[in-house]
Amino acid sequence: QITLKESGPTLVKPTQTLTLTCSFSGFSLNTNGVSVGWIRQPPGKALEYLALIYWDGDERYSPSLKTRLTITKDSSKNQVVLTMTNMDPVDTATYYCAHNSLQILHFDYWGQGTLVTVSS
Amino acid sequence: QTVVTQAPSFSVSPGGTVTLTCALSSGSVSTTHYPSWYQQTPGQAPRTLMYNTNTRSSGVPDRFSGSILGNKAALTITGAQADDDSDYYCMFYMGSGIWVFGGGTKLTVL
Repeated sequence: QITLKESGPTLVKPTQTLTLTCSFSGFSLNTNGVSVGWIRQPPGKALEYLALIYWDGDERYSPSLKTRLTITKDSSKNQVVLTMTNMDPVDTATYYCAHNSLQILHFDYWGQGTLVTVSS
Repeated sequence: QTVVTQAPSFSVSPGGTVTLTCALSSGSVSTTHYPSWYQQTPGQAPRTLMYNTNTRSSGVPDRFSGSILGNKAALTITGAQADDDSDYYCMFYMGSGIWVFGGGTKLTVL
């Protein structure tokens, strides 16, 4: 059974760096083709793809946010970490991590999400 | 930058049929975009309904079907039920590890 869970601060100040952790079980990020991605959703708005990391460490980023994002993995701990720099109130959103793979090319299992508010 | 367009809202009567669509600003949707669909109710994470254009995820009722209609991806609900009242998002694979979501359609069943 695949599960994912996001963790991190619920409140960050403008200009600060956000660090979120995705802890997962039921699959290995050492398995060929497997990936984990991050998606966010501002309150009342649409889903937005942010970033993804593959089993081999290859990183992919949304072109619009590429300069602010870094995604890393610790396969031994079954964790994926997303950092976003220079946070702004418009970055207030629920942040989700989700499982993907080259074999399916969509996000099939999602975490419950974590709400991050950016405010001074 | 690619934009995916969905109608903001739709309504359907219980038992009725509704087709939600997604269009790509860059051109026609094809199977190589691996269209997928997600259902979301307030306060919940998205639930995967459909992937690879027309493959239902595990546990999804067969009243949901996916297709490409003309130059758009489509999700059809045949025999809508009250608990289909949700937000629906499409997503496309743009290649090179990049995905893009639509703006979502709020479906009301009444």
